[in-house]
Amino acid sequence: DTEVTQTPKHLVMGMTNKKSLKCEQHMGHRAMYWYKQKAKKPPELMFVYSYEKLSINESVPSRFSPECPNSSLLNLHLHALQPEDSALYLCASSQDTGLFPSYEQYFGPGTRLTVT
Amino acid sequence: GQNIDQPTEMTATEGAIVQINCTYQTSGFNGLFWYQQHAGEAPTFLSYNVLDGLEEKGRFSSFLSRSKGYSYLLLKELQMKDSASYLCAVRDPGSTDSWGKLQFGAGTQVVVTP
Repeated sequence: DTEVTQTPKHLVMGMTNKKSLKCEQHMGHRAMYWYKQKAKKPPELMFVYSYEKLSINESVPSRFSPECPNSSLLNLHLHALQPEDSALYLCASSQDTGLFPSYEQYFGPGTRLTVT
Repeated sequence: GQNIDQPTEMTATEGAIVQINCTYQTSGFNGLFWYQQHAGEAPTFLSYNVLDGLEEKGRFSSFLSRSKGYSYLLLKELQMKDSASYLCAVRDPGSTDSWGKLQFGAGTQVVVTP
């Protein structure tokens, strides 16, 4: 099973709402990632969790709050977002421990987020 | 700093060959990946190079020259389903630990025509 799942597929939220994006993988991967992708642009890294600990935060605004409850799950909590935060949010995972750089990242299908 | 360059768009006919070039200037290098992304879908892994030379996988091949900061993805026997964006991504080992971030180029939109 090389699948990363994400829910919901689509999300529309107002600027005062609180919502969460969920990501799950059952490949035993120990690194999980959140990316943001705007139309016709490449994915931009937001956060990385390695062994359930936050290892990279790419200076993401605090209105985005990641959480890794266990090795299979990754959440992204959203609060007080702006319209410019509308984008495709991709979750990815990899077996990467840093020792074996050939481990590729497997991406989920993404959540299409619209902030109104 | 990081700089990864790819052409914006390429057009080719079904059955032909297309070569997508990628040049990079990054502070570190720990491998180069190619991903395919269809519109509205997630990127899917195509190939990985860390040593110089050619890696072949069916209709897709990828080449790397580390001294030149250059890679290409070769798509042979093009099919209509190959119409997609192709993303070059460099793995940067980072400064604090051996784990590396993936820096993506802007992507090359390949259009396959009948």
